[in-house]
Amino acid sequence: RKEVEQDPGPFNVPEGATVAFNCTYSNSASQSFFWYRQDCRKEPKLLMSVYSSGNEDGRFTAQLNRASQYISLLIRDSKLSDSATYLCVVNGDFNKFYFGSGTKLNVKP
Amino acid sequence: NAGVTQTPKFQVLKTGQSMTLQCAQDMNHNSMYWYRQDPGMGLRLIYYSASEGTTDKGEVPNGYNVSRLNKREFSLRLESAAPSQTSVYFCASSEVGPRTAEETQYFGPGTRLLVL
Repeated sequence: RKEVEQDPGPFNVPEGATVAFNCTYSNSASQSFFWYRQDCRKEPKLLMSVYSSGNEDGRFTAQLNRASQYISLLIRDSKLSDSATYLCVVNGDFNKFYFGSGTKLNVKP
Repeated sequence: NAGVTQTPKFQVLKTGQSMTLQCAQDMNHNSMYWYRQDPGMGLRLIYYSASEGTTDKGEVPNGYNVSRLNKREFSLRLESAAPSQTSVYFCASSEVGPRTAEETQYFGPGTRLLVL
């Protein structure tokens, strides 16, 4: 079983739409959770960390559900520039990060 | 600050050839990582180094060796390249590792490797 699983998409949405991605993780001992963004043929970059109480950064909201072992990312008022692949990342043993395979988002005009 | 740099950007090898991928960071980070990214597979950890002088295996270490030359540099060596090692290789660094939600990994631009 993979450490981190994501729906690969693609999610095709119009500008202005709200879109949500989920991610499940297998290690109940994981403590740190992140969403990274990766543009085509580029390196991943941190979008936001995910805190137990949930957190928001502008149009982006991240939630953590420890009981069900899943993380979500909500994007409101989608922009063309949000088109990218979104990677869910969870820590495993000390110093190891586990990446999901990514969810591709296409925002259309 | 350059952040994380990797060389080369592209490489074509024949089966059985060897090569070393270089990575350097100028952020004074303790932890460094090598990943490979294949279509539909996400990033998989090859090796990591929690601090200068230490290295440990990740998920997919077979066929690779690493050297943490100093705090700045972490190299990945393919001793005898195989077509299955065709991939995009990313180096990353972080201050101390994923112990808190504050920890950020910074990635290099990647090396695209084709093994024929």
